[in-house]
Amino acid sequence: KAGVTQTPRYLIKTRGQQVTLSCSPISGHRSVSWYQQTPGQGLQFLFEYFSETQRNKGNFPGRFSGRQFSNSRSEMNVSTLELGDSALYLCASSLDGSLEIDEQFFGPGTRLTVL
Amino acid sequence: GENVEQHPSTLSVQEGDSAVIKCTYSDSASNYFPWYKQELGKRPQLIIDIRSNVGEKKDQRIAVTLNKTAKHFSLHITETQPEDSAVYFCAAITGNQFYFGTGTSLTVIP
Repeated sequence: KAGVTQTPRYLIKTRGQQVTLSCSPISGHRSVSWYQQTPGQGLQFLFEYFSETQRNKGNFPGRFSGRQFSNSRSEMNVSTLELGDSALYLCASSLDGSLEIDEQFFGPGTRLTVL
Repeated sequence: GENVEQHPSTLSVQEGDSAVIKCTYSDSASNYFPWYKQELGKRPQLIIDIRSNVGEKKDQRIAVTLNKTAKHFSLHITETQPEDSAVYFCAAITGNQFYFGTGTSLTVIP
């Protein structure tokens, strides 16, 4: 099986712009989670989508949004970019998300740099 | 690639006691070690992490220690409470890749 893929791998934007990141989960996986990884904050949960619905949400401002399509692919959007948004954005997929032990597979990440 | 081993696979403690979960890793390039807690029916959630330039980090009842020389790190939970019952995963990060341990199912007996 192909792993979780994310595009683009690297992105450079300027403050005020917006960006859309894409994540394709492992085939058959219906849950996609997004994380922001920064050196100072580690990995922080952004949100999780399951069956095209946002099921869980972390403590991020409304500038961060996402969606999931019927094929489980997910996109994350960040509007009005700030310098502090520079980070590695990871998505992770899992089969269902409601099992007792649901292994989560992460993608390679998109490194976003905001100038 | 990186190999993360986590022990024990199951752990039962009395409420108020301490719990310790240990992980070892193989790749000396790993530089970030998060711990995730997954409650029944819920997503894994990051509970604490430590970077390779830090030896110990605490957050209330939870602490993590890292020994880079020995390539092992541990999660310590003191004064355990029933709500601490969950599966805990350690992970070691190399580059952009997360390598997870196999998980420890912690049960806190009231």
